[in-house]
Amino acid sequence: AQSVTQLGSHVSVSEGALVLLRCNYSSSVPPYLFWYVQYPNQGLQLLLKYTTGATLVKGINGFEAEFKKSETSFHLTKPSAHMSDAAEYFCAVSAIKNTGFQKLVFGTGTRLLVSP
Amino acid sequence: SQTIHQWPATLVQPVGSPLSLECTVEGTSNPNLYWYRQAAGRGLQLLFYSVGIGQISSEVPQNLSASRPQDRQFILSSKKLLLSDSGFYLCAWSSPSGRAINEQFFGPGTRLTVL
Repeated sequence: AQSVTQLGSHVSVSEGALVLLRCNYSSSVPPYLFWYVQYPNQGLQLLLKYTTGATLVKGINGFEAEFKKSETSFHLTKPSAHMSDAAEYFCAVSAIKNTGFQKLVFGTGTRLLVSP
Repeated sequence: SQTIHQWPATLVQPVGSPLSLECTVEGTSNPNLYWYRQAAGRGLQLLFYSVGIGQISSEVPQNLSASRPQDRQFILSSKKLLLSDSGFYLCAWSSPSGRAINEQFFGPGTRLTVL
């Protein structure tokens, strides 16, 4: 069964510092991987996704993630944090049920705190 | 373009009362639809999904039910709410099954507090 582990429920950085949010996955088939962002009391917004091809994926708001099969990781990075990046971030992997239906399995989330 | 709506945005209900949360999608046909619950510090739990009108699959046993009376309408219900039903409920849609990429698009959510 597919699963996702996000290391660190909270990550704190200073404005302008590197952002690194960790995600490790488990999948018996080639995975599709996603990062979503959630601002307070709002729904989730897709940041970026990996399906096939280039392992470095660029998303919105300056974020990017690299798929590393050997490490089963899909860490999210941004070179320079901005105050507006403060939010909760979710990593997800696509899972295929025995009916053939695809669903997403989400990690427990990492809250990013950005200080001035 | 596609949009997804949820209402109400917030709801406070007493224990034992009924519940009806509604989700509608515009700008697409025959979407897959999902209900998630988000509890503090626990990520997203998939409750129900639907691949078509009247077709509902439940992921976890619970006090809730779902219905899909129209192609782009998804309803989450309960006959009697429990305290444990409190949480943030998110509706999402994705392109019909068969596409390789199962990207999901989320609504703004409903904050439910059961007292």
